[in-house]
Amino acid sequence: RKEVEQDPGPFNVPEGATVAFNCTYSNSASQSFFWYRQDCRKEPKLLMSVYSSGNEDGRFTAQLNRASQYISLLIRDSKLSDSATYLCVVRYPYGGATNKLIFGTGTLLAVQP
Amino acid sequence: NAGVMQNPRHLVRRRGQEARLRCSPMKGHSHVYWYRQLPEEGLKFMVYLQKENIIDESGMPKERFSAEFPKEGPSILRIQQVVRGDSAAYFCASSPEREGIEQYFGPGTRLTVT
Repeated sequence: RKEVEQDPGPFNVPEGATVAFNCTYSNSASQSFFWYRQDCRKEPKLLMSVYSSGNEDGRFTAQLNRASQYISLLIRDSKLSDSATYLCVVRYPYGGATNKLIFGTGTLLAVQP
Repeated sequence: NAGVMQNPRHLVRRRGQEARLRCSPMKGHSHVYWYRQLPEEGLKFMVYLQKENIIDESGMPKERFSAEFPKEGPSILRIQQVVRGDSAAYFCASSPEREGIEQYFGPGTRLTVT
């Protein structure tokens, strides 16, 4: 079983649509969770951290369910510029010897005009 | 404030040659991480270094790969006797401290082995 699993997509949506991505992780001791965005042949860029209480940044809303080990990202009013691969990322336990990030394989979003 | 810098951006090597990839962390960051992204795959952790120390190398292949982060100068990821399967994008990230939540990524080095 992969440590972080995502639906690879692609998700093809029209401009203005609402789209949701889901992710599950296997290590129940994981402490920190993120969504990164990666454009084609570019480096990953942090989109937002994910908190247990849920958090919102403009059109983006992230949710975390620790009991189900499930993370989600909701994008409202999709823009053409949102087209990218969205990476679900988990950081190993806080205070451990390491600080590595575990990446899902990503979900491809294509917003159509 | 310059971001994470990596060079070269593109590197072509023949099978059997050595590849050296360099990473300069963001100013004030003392922790460096290397990740590899194979074609059509996700990023995979390779190694985590602090100045002059390897903290976690659990993702490094056992042979041919090594990494260092000297007291002065950039972090170096070295691949000896490259093979076609080493062709990938290698990303470096940095953070200001071990418990730093955010890791900032460089633009990557695309290694092609012919």
